Amino acid sequence: NAGVTQTPKFQVLKTGQSMTLQCAQDMNHEYMSWYRQDPGMGLRLIHYSVGAGITDQGEVPNGYNVSRSTTEDFPLRLLSAAPSQTSVYFCASREPVVETQYFGPGTRLLVL
Amino acid sequence: GENVEQHPSTLSVQEGDSAVIKCTYSDSASNYFPWYKQELGKRPQLIIDIRSNVGEKKDQRIAVTLNKTAKHFSLHITETQPEDSAVYFCAATPQRGGNKLTFGTGTQLKVEL
Repeated sequence: NAGVTQTPKFQVLKTGQSMTLQCAQDMNHEYMSWYRQDPGMGLRLIHYSVGAGITDQGEVPNGYNVSRSTTEDFPLRLLSAAPSQTSVYFCASREPVVETQYFGPGTRLLVL
Repeated sequence: GENVEQHPSTLSVQEGDSAVIKCTYSDSASNYFPWYKQELGKRPQLIIDIRSNVGEKKDQRIAVTLNKTAKHFSLHITETQPEDSAVYFCAATPQRGGNKLTFGTGTQLKVEL
């Protein structure tokens, strides 16, 4: 099992550009989430999904879109990147009954 | 929504000493409280968790206590070692089976030789 994988590892964007952060898991987990991590602020939930075709907003959803067409994949889209979106982004997955979340290795995003 | 406060933000201990990190939560419906360890440049990894029907849980040198009445929970690390140096995050989730995990702001633990 590869677990939770994320691509790219590092990305530099210019303000206004769009991009998609990829997340995949091979553990057949129904629940998947996206978090951003900023210094001194812990991890904050952006969007989450409880199954294919079902997504919902977390604490800081503005500027981000998600979709869940398959159990395995949960991409995060930045529509028009802003410097405030400079952060480290973590994807996570878990089973519905077992609350343990498994995190991906993260994507470091710099928006200039 | 849920709000989790974590203290202290930094903690320095001597090797072999104990370390305690404390968190409080606001939503009385929260019933699952995990602790994550994050080493520099790495992903958060679960080290221990506790559910609201349990007051204390221990795993070797690590223990977590929960006081539902006061809405606070704590991480205890005994006999600290240099490899315990990392950032520790507490978290709470407001409903069983839900996926809204709210994190504290983290504690940088440094274990000095």
